[in-house]
Amino acid sequence: GAGVSQSPSNKVTEKGKDVELRCDPISGHTALYWYRQSLGQGLEFLIYFQGNSAPDKSGLPSDRFSAERTGGSVSTLTIQRTQQEDSAVYLCASSLSGDSYEQYFGPGTRLTVT
Amino acid sequence: KNEVEQSPQNLTAQEGEFITINCSYSVGISALHWLQQHPGGGIVSLFMLSSGKKKHGRLIATINIQEKHSSLHITASHPRDSAVYICAVWSNTGNQFYFGTGTSLTVIP
Repeated sequence: GAGVSQSPSNKVTEKGKDVELRCDPISGHTALYWYRQSLGQGLEFLIYFQGNSAPDKSGLPSDRFSAERTGGSVSTLTIQRTQQEDSAVYLCASSLSGDSYEQYFGPGTRLTVT
Repeated sequence: KNEVEQSPQNLTAQEGEFITINCSYSVGISALHWLQQHPGGGIVSLFMLSSGKKKHGRLIATINIQEKHSSLHITASHPRDSAVYICAVWSNTGNQFYFGTGTSLTVIP
């Protein structure tokens, strides 16, 4: 079956522009996660959606970052007024339910801010 | 202070060797995950543990909740096992996922 998909796979943007990253989770998965991996750095947790519950946004690095999940399926991560330090691979994962289930990762979106 | 510590950071082994990667954590958890990331590749979940031991092929993962420690073992290592192995824990005091910095494994033929 289809895995987690993300689009675009690569995005180059100019500093100050807004970007939208999309994640399509595995069908039937109620939990969705966003992570960031900067070059040469470890993984960083950004935000977690579980069903229709409001997400805890405290992991987002700044108020320029926002995320939403429409209809409990597709999610978009929006970065406003991008900065060079936002350059990273943004990864999405989904799981059947909450935190005690195996996560399936998407291929990531490589964002480069010039 | 890192909530999740992994050791070693780098590991080189000869093909066939038994490998152990360790993970210690400092927060209360509801689950611990072991992830694998190949160079330039995506991330694959190897195990999700909340207690005891799991085995999948040549890979074994154990967790000791009281000691807040987990190990990932690879038996009869192979060059295709070369990857970064990442330990991650889901905190049970909030919706937060903490990652270790990863162990880079190279298996030489």
